[in-house]
Amino acid sequence: GEDVEQSLFLSVREGDSSVINCTYTDSSSTYLYWYKQEPGAGLQLLTYIFSNMDMKQDQRLTVLLNKKDKHLSLRIADTQTGDSAIYFCAGPTGNQGGKLIFGQGTELSVKP
Amino acid sequence: GAVVSQHPSWVICKSGTSVKIECRSLDFQATTMFWYRQFPKQSLMLMATSNEGSKATYEQGVEKDKFLINHASLTLSTLTVTSAHPEDSSFYICSARRRGGVRETQYFGPGTRLLVL
Repeated sequence: GEDVEQSLFLSVREGDSSVINCTYTDSSSTYLYWYKQEPGAGLQLLTYIFSNMDMKQDQRLTVLLNKKDKHLSLRIADTQTGDSAIYFCAGPTGNQGGKLIFGQGTELSVKP
Repeated sequence: GAVVSQHPSWVICKSGTSVKIECRSLDFQATTMFWYRQFPKQSLMLMATSNEGSKATYEQGVEKDKFLINHASLTLSTLTVTSAHPEDSSFYICSARRRGGVRETQYFGPGTRLLVL
């Protein structure tokens, strides 16, 4: 079945760039998503990228998509302590009723 | 736009009681709502998909008689945990797909933490 994989932890210093990586298996994915979850909260949609794009930039966020390798990354420039959270990548499950499959989440820790 | 609310945010109940959680899309119509369960330090586990006016579709291993879902309107879905037991204690999150929105994009509520004593 479809699968989405992420590394579990990332630690960076404030002001550095963070790069969170994700791999997926479903080659029919149309849109791929990045969500952010702060402690005790729901998921906040950060950004998404359409599968015919290689890159999408939105302020401090840059999403790169390598469709050949099925690799997605989220770069956060000038990382701040407020960026500390869990980041989930997600993709559709073969278009079965609009369901999404989520990675395990990457816990980003930003040290001052 | 695309705000989803959940009520209550916290609930503590005795074993054997039923608990109802509401999920509302505040500023858009939701064609589909999803219910997830999340354990500490884990990813989201999809429980069921709910379409307005029709029966919910449950994921494998989720008891439909235990977790009753009602999707009465395009802005409201409810999840009722019936005869709750301590093992039902968890963080429950709903999400909604917007009518006319980008394909599978889901907007999430803030979650409901359930503690069953």
